[in-house]
Amino acid sequence: ELKVEQNPLFLSMQEGKNYTIYCNYSTTSDRLYWYRQDPGKSLESLFVLLSNGAVKQEGRLMASLDTKARLSTLHITAAVHDLSATYFCAVDRDSGYALNFGKGTSLLVTP
Amino acid sequence: ETGVTQSPTHLIKTRGQQVTLRCSSQSGHNTVSWYQQALGQGPQFIFQYYREEENGRGNFPPRFSGLQFPNYSSELNVNALELDDSALYLCASSLDTFYGYTFGSGTRLTVV
Repeated sequence: ELKVEQNPLFLSMQEGKNYTIYCNYSTTSDRLYWYRQDPGKSLESLFVLLSNGAVKQEGRLMASLDTKARLSTLHITAAVHDLSATYFCAVDRDSGYALNFGKGTSLLVTP
Repeated sequence: ETGVTQSPTHLIKTRGQQVTLRCSSQSGHNTVSWYQQALGQGPQFIFQYYREEENGRGNFPPRFSGLQFPNYSSELNVNALELDDSALYLCASSLDTFYGYTFGSGTRLTVV
C-alpha cells in the first residue's frame, strides 16, 4: 500500500519567514502533485512534478522532487498571510491511476 | 473557474437513503476520479473511470458506484447511507495526467 506522509501537519509562521514542508512516500513514483485547499473549498493545483530533480516555482512557493529519496519539498519564501491554507501532496502511483494524498499541512501565517 | 462543476453543492440525507452526486468535466477529459474527504483529512480515492469504464477502485464498499457518460459527465451513487459517509465528495478530471488533475468544487454530504 502506498503511504504518503507530510510533515509538519500544522505550521504557524510569521510573515516574512521561510519554511519547508516535507512529503515522503513509500513506493516508487515519478509523479507528484501539490495542491492548496482553503477552508470549505476545493483543491487548487499548485505544481505537477514529473521527474527526478524537477523543481518548479510560482511566486513565493517552490517545489522539488527527489524520486530516489522518495521525497518532495514545498518551500515557502517570505511568507504572507494570503498563503494561509492547507497544503496537500499527492502521489500518482501508476501514472494515471489514483492519487494518494498525504494528510495535509495546515499553514497559518501570522503578522 | 475550474472547468469541473459538481452538483449539488450541499446535501442532507437520512441514514439508509440513497444519493446521487453529479460532476461535469471539461470537454476532452476522458478520465474522471471521485474522492471522499472527511473533515480534517486528505482526500481518499473512491474510483476512476476512463472512457466510460471503471479502471480503478479504492477501498470503498460496493454500495459506492459510479457512471461516466459520453458527454464527460459522471455520477457517484451511494446506497444505504451511513453516518460515516458524511464528507466532502470531490470529482477530478484529467486530459492527461502529465498536466495533473482539475478538481471540482465538491459536494458536501451530511448524513443524519
